[in-house]
Amino acid sequence: GAVVSQHPSRVICKSGTSVKIECRSLDFQATTMFWYRQFPKQSLMLMATSNEGSKATYEQGVEKDKFLINHASLTLSTLTVTSAHPEDSSFYICSARDGQAAGELFFGEGSRLTVL
Amino acid sequence: DAKTTQPPSMDCAEGRAANLPCNHSTISGNEYVYWYRQIHSQGPQYIIHGLKNNETNEMASLIITEDRKSSTLILPHATLRDTAVYYCIVRVAGGNQGGKLIFGQGTELSVKP
Repeated sequence: GAVVSQHPSRVICKSGTSVKIECRSLDFQATTMFWYRQFPKQSLMLMATSNEGSKATYEQGVEKDKFLINHASLTLSTLTVTSAHPEDSSFYICSARDGQAAGELFFGEGSRLTVL
Repeated sequence: DAKTTQPPSMDCAEGRAANLPCNHSTISGNEYVYWYRQIHSQGPQYIIHGLKNNETNEMASLIITEDRKSSTLILPHATLRDTAVYYCIVRVAGGNQGGKLIFGQGTELSVKP
């Protein structure tokens, strides 16, 4: 199946710094990408939907100025956690939709953020 | 909010069939039933999806009731590597109209030797 890659897989940062997570579709063009957050023992929570070349659409309760999403190309979306705090520590997962095929969604391996 | 309900946990003996139920009584006519699973600390993995007919692939079978209000995912011969959280999701599929996936709590399947 299609491959979606996230980088980094793990990141540790100090409180107050910003962290960027990349999501790449390796063998297809992703017109739409989704970003999720998952806390321990909980399900995935959708944060935002990003469409290539346009502004992301954020779910209710997600701060757009804190979680900056950029989808500048058909194979890359980035999530930047600005001024990170310990409560932002979580597992961040992206998914991408193949614009050419049946529109199915494929998930990345996830990125674990730990804010000290 | 998720539009599906699943039991929080299930056990299954290795080598036996695992039958995971899902209720989706408010499913719309253009919504498909999708199943994903998530092994600890990994991204979700697609398993199977269907609209109204039963479906089978190399991983599993999907049985959808005639009224489409519920479905069952069947892993015919569960192995220890099938231990994971299984998510049942309803979603509009296809092309640019394909919708986002909203995850419920899923079923934590434990396959025991």
